[in-house]
Amino acid sequence: ETGVTQTPRHLVMGMTNKKSLKCEQHLGHNAMYWYKQSAKKPLELMFVYSLEERVENNSVPSRFSPECPNSSHLFLHLHTLQPEDSALYLCASSQDPGPRGPGELFFGEGSRLTVL
Amino acid sequence: GQQLNQSPQSMFIQEGEDVSMNCTSSSIFNTWLWYKQDPGEGPVLLIALYKAGELTSNGRLTAQFGITRKDSFLNISASIPSDVGIYFCAGCDRGSTLGRLYFGRGTQLTVWP
Repeated sequence: ETGVTQTPRHLVMGMTNKKSLKCEQHLGHNAMYWYKQSAKKPLELMFVYSLEERVENNSVPSRFSPECPNSSHLFLHLHTLQPEDSALYLCASSQDPGPRGPGELFFGEGSRLTVL
Repeated sequence: GQQLNQSPQSMFIQEGEDVSMNCTSSSIFNTWLWYKQDPGEGPVLLIALYKAGELTSNGRLTAQFGITRKDSFLNISASIPSDVGIYFCAGCDRGSTLGRLYFGRGTQLTVWP
């Protein structure tokens, strides 16, 4: 496989469930990201990992818990979510620094989450 | 946070027509990127710009980094049906590292055959 792959592509969960989103990058990059994409809103950066260390957490509720066990894998653990958390969750990776400046992001296909 | 104004919000054009969209920021950016997102997919990088005034082409796509460093535009020439999708601008300002991009709200492009 190449690029950035995300699983599952679709997830429906109740508010009391616990689930996880998985991301894997095959590009040899050293940084990984979680973004949230809601209808009619700009992409929202949630978490940034550089060299497996979390370097940014953009005031994301604690019901979202990221994990980066190595530079190729990123997880987003979900628990007691709210219906307003329904969105497309996008994983991305980049090489930092890039050859000409801040790393260009390469996105996965996204995980469409619906919270009932 | 940083605001990116992307316009137009949507476009409906005939196949073969040229398309132009732009993005402005409230502060100086060091990087401008243009992405396209097809339905049910993640955004795909089209063009990256790193220098003020830089003009870069990728096939029928051309993008420019504005001289003021506060704007960028994307042109698509001779549009075809597969150009349909949402086009996002994104950028980094001076304080950004690690690809912390600000994104516009997107331009939804519809191409009629």
